Amino acid sequence: NAGVMQNPRHLVRRRGQEARLRCSPMKGHSHVYWYRQLPEEGLKFMVYLQKENIIDESGMPKERFSAEFPKEGPSILRIQQVVRGDSAAYFCASSAGATSGKLFFGSGTQLSVL
Amino acid sequence: RKEVEQDPGPFNVPEGATVAFNCTYSNSASQSFFWYRQDCRKEPKLLMSVYSSGNEDGRFTAQLNRASQYISLLIRDSKLSDSATYLCVVNIEAQKLVFGQGTRLTINP
Repeated sequence: NAGVMQNPRHLVRRRGQEARLRCSPMKGHSHVYWYRQLPEEGLKFMVYLQKENIIDESGMPKERFSAEFPKEGPSILRIQQVVRGDSAAYFCASSAGATSGKLFFGSGTQLSVL
Repeated sequence: RKEVEQDPGPFNVPEGATVAFNCTYSNSASQSFFWYRQDCRKEPKLLMSVYSSGNEDGRFTAQLNRASQYISLLIRDSKLSDSATYLCVVNIEAQKLVFGQGTRLTINP
């Protein structure tokens, strides 16, 4: 029973390029969350999705960031026209149900913007 | 005021000592509370849920004080392997879990 799978583990982009981060939840989980962690800081909530729906995107920057969780395939966090300040660890987590507070995290994607 | 606040530490304690840290939250309507552990920038992992009556899991004890809006984590007989960052997590609304900044703990031999 594979856990939450994120790829790539490390992603290097130049300023202005696009970054696409992928997350496959645990088998049987239909709730996906994205968090961002800057160096020496805690995890910041970005977005919560269920299959084909964005439930809460209150933590997403208004521009350049988008997320989706299609019916088939992984959840994607997309960052357009990356800037140096986007450099961070991006963690995806999944849960089994809407009322569960137990999150299972992936290993994260470390994004470095040159 | 931050939704969830923790003393970032670091806490440096000798092996075998007892250590405790608190976490305060601002939203009195918060429903659920958890402690997560994060090692060396790896993914966070659930350590334990925090129940109203307090709960214990081996050397770890978690307590909730709704009146003062804080939760606590106590670690007894600390081990070297307990060195990590401990994250206080509060379920603010629906499925939105808010993480504290984390408290860094180092257990020294």
